[in-house]
Amino acid sequence: KNQVEQSPQSLIILEGKNCTLQCNYTVSPFSNLRWYKQDTGRGPVSLTIMTFSENTKSNGRYTATLDADTKQSSLHITASQLSDSASYICVVASAGNNRKLIWGLGTSLAVNP
Amino acid sequence: DADVTQTPRNRITKTGKRIMLECSQTKGHDRMYWYRQDPGLGLQLIYYSFDVKDINKGEISDGYSVSRQAQAKFSLSLESAIPNQTALYFCATSDLGGEQFFGPGTRLTVL
Repeated sequence: KNQVEQSPQSLIILEGKNCTLQCNYTVSPFSNLRWYKQDTGRGPVSLTIMTFSENTKSNGRYTATLDADTKQSSLHITASQLSDSASYICVVASAGNNRKLIWGLGTSLAVNP
Repeated sequence: DADVTQTPRNRITKTGKRIMLECSQTKGHDRMYWYRQDPGLGLQLIYYSFDVKDINKGEISDGYSVSRQAQAKFSLSLESAIPNQTALYFCATSDLGGEQFFGPGTRLTVL
């Protein structure tokens, strides 16, 4: 069964600190992996999209990694800011004839002053 | 102006009523989607459309219908709303590259 699991479920950090969010998936065949940021009550916003051949991709203070062999991804946030408080969702796109997006449940991040 | 807009932003209705949620986009994308989000669950795909003449069911299409009036407009209808359709509804668009752009959402409450 195609699944995307994220950890931790929630996380609280102090402003200025770094953090890493994890995503494990069992989706096959694999097309790409995406990280989204979703502020409370708003639509998700794309942070990165990585294909099979990409190991790392950055978007400002956000750096995503992908290990397609172990089917793991991480999102690293550097020098966190209060505005980073949000839910971070990992999404894996399957390939082939039955293409679909499998959404994780997200990690809820709170950045405190 | 926002690239993807949804109306209404909030709606409270009663069981059995017909409801239409509307989505418009200025990104020029051919592909449009409707999702629902429930607390503690991931986004679930209701319907999607790859162009004006193409409509496809998603994972949870029962109880919903859609209309693609133009490239820029994609509406979602609940013919007879029921309480378990209370959720946050998102419209999204994408180009062939697949990156999706989401609207601000519609919070629907069915009493």
